[in-house]
Amino acid sequence: DAKTTQPPSMDCAEGRAANLPCNHSTISGNEYVYWYRQIHSQGPQYIIHGLKNNETNEMASLIITEDRKSSTLILPHATLRDTAVYYCIGQTDSWGKLQFGAGTQVVVTP
Amino acid sequence: KAGVTQTPRYLIKTRGQQVTLSCSPISGHRSVSWYQQTPGQGLQFLFEYFSETQRNKGNFPGRFSGRQFSNSRSEMNVSTLELGDSALYLCASSLGAVYNEQFFGPGTRLTVL
Repeated sequence: DAKTTQPPSMDCAEGRAANLPCNHSTISGNEYVYWYRQIHSQGPQYIIHGLKNNETNEMASLIITEDRKSSTLILPHATLRDTAVYYCIGQTDSWGKLQFGAGTQVVVTP
Repeated sequence: KAGVTQTPRYLIKTRGQQVTLSCSPISGHRSVSWYQQTPGQGLQFLFEYFSETQRNKGNFPGRFSGRQFSNSRSEMNVSTLELGDSALYLCASSLGAVYNEQFFGPGTRLTVL
């Protein structure tokens, strides 16, 4: 599994885009980049994943650099409900095992 | 569709006792994973079951065990509880197919006194 590095915390203004960086310089060719988030006192929630191409869904966009050494999760219009710890995970499919790191604590302020 | 449910939500036990936690996955999901979350260690993978078979296991002592039933419901058991077992225990289900898109339950908060 790839070692991922994320900033420990970030602040974001409500209504603005939140850009969450993740470094995964050791990622191998068959390892996906997954993003999950955990709102306080709840279970983690899947956000998005990608391999090489940029991905977008109703929650967020994932931008992966061409060399795949880093990625950015973009929350286009942050709301107070987006306050959570965001986890970036780089790994292959491994039978239900997700390797969570420390994540980034994102606080969205009014 | 109903989400992943875990029972009980809160539990208080004393050292040396054993505990069984239950998880009901989303209908149609055949894979169930268990995680332990503590402030010091974060989220750590315990084990995963698919079609009643344990396919993957994390680095936890043998006191932690689990099983899965034919309806995909799963239980985990912790025997001879220690103070350090106090944690939030999370269950997640998935289709068990290629991608690691897992759906987590709300967790069971276990306190060991």
